[in-house]
Amino acid sequence: DTEVTQTPKHLVMGMTNKKSLKCEQHMGHRAMYWYKQKAKKPPELMFVYSYEKLSINESVPSRFSPECPNSSLLNLHLHALQPEDSALYLCASSQSGGVGQPQHFGDGTRLSIL
Amino acid sequence: KQEVTQIPAALSVPEGENLVLNCSFTDSAIYNLQWFRQDPGKGLTSLLLIQSSQREQTSGRLNASLDKSSGRSTLYIAASQPGDSATYLCAVEDSNYQLIWGAGTKLIIKP
Repeated sequence: DTEVTQTPKHLVMGMTNKKSLKCEQHMGHRAMYWYKQKAKKPPELMFVYSYEKLSINESVPSRFSPECPNSSLLNLHLHALQPEDSALYLCASSQSGGVGQPQHFGDGTRLSIL
Repeated sequence: KQEVTQIPAALSVPEGENLVLNCSFTDSAIYNLQWFRQDPGKGLTSLLLIQSSQREQTSGRLNASLDKSSGRSTLYIAASQPGDSATYLCAVEDSNYQLIWGAGTKLIIKP
């Protein structure tokens, strides 16, 4: 069983909807990550939070809005998405985001935009 | 700019065989290299992490090696089983603490 829990597992939404993806870890990790993965491609980094502060934003469109309410939770708020945003969204965590720390991944949320 | 390449893109072998997956990177200035496994529609499972100062890591039937100077890593799987079928990805951690990913090798173990 994965130690990083993502909900929901699947999400279908229209382009005008607002929804949120949630990620939770209880390993005491202080760095959390959002990745986007298209079919048969490697993950693409979207955001990194370190000690609850946004440290990296990889030029992600504003229709994706991350939030880190506390050290265990990471949300990704979605609004006015486009069909090309359909993908697997992966959350990961690591001890502190420093060098040499393995990232632990959740099983992802499969997002489909109609 | 760091680039990571995995060859082959796909591999199919009979059960019981030993096999090697390859990963190469263009910039030797890495902090570490990780091998991950991904089952269809699932997240990634970290298999092995090799620090830049290390030459290899072992976990069960898996052995990963790292040659920083030549920009290469291999993942050796001994006595392959059908349950090993998955996509295997390697990623290097660069000087910005970010993972740079290869495109993966899709492995099929035939019973």
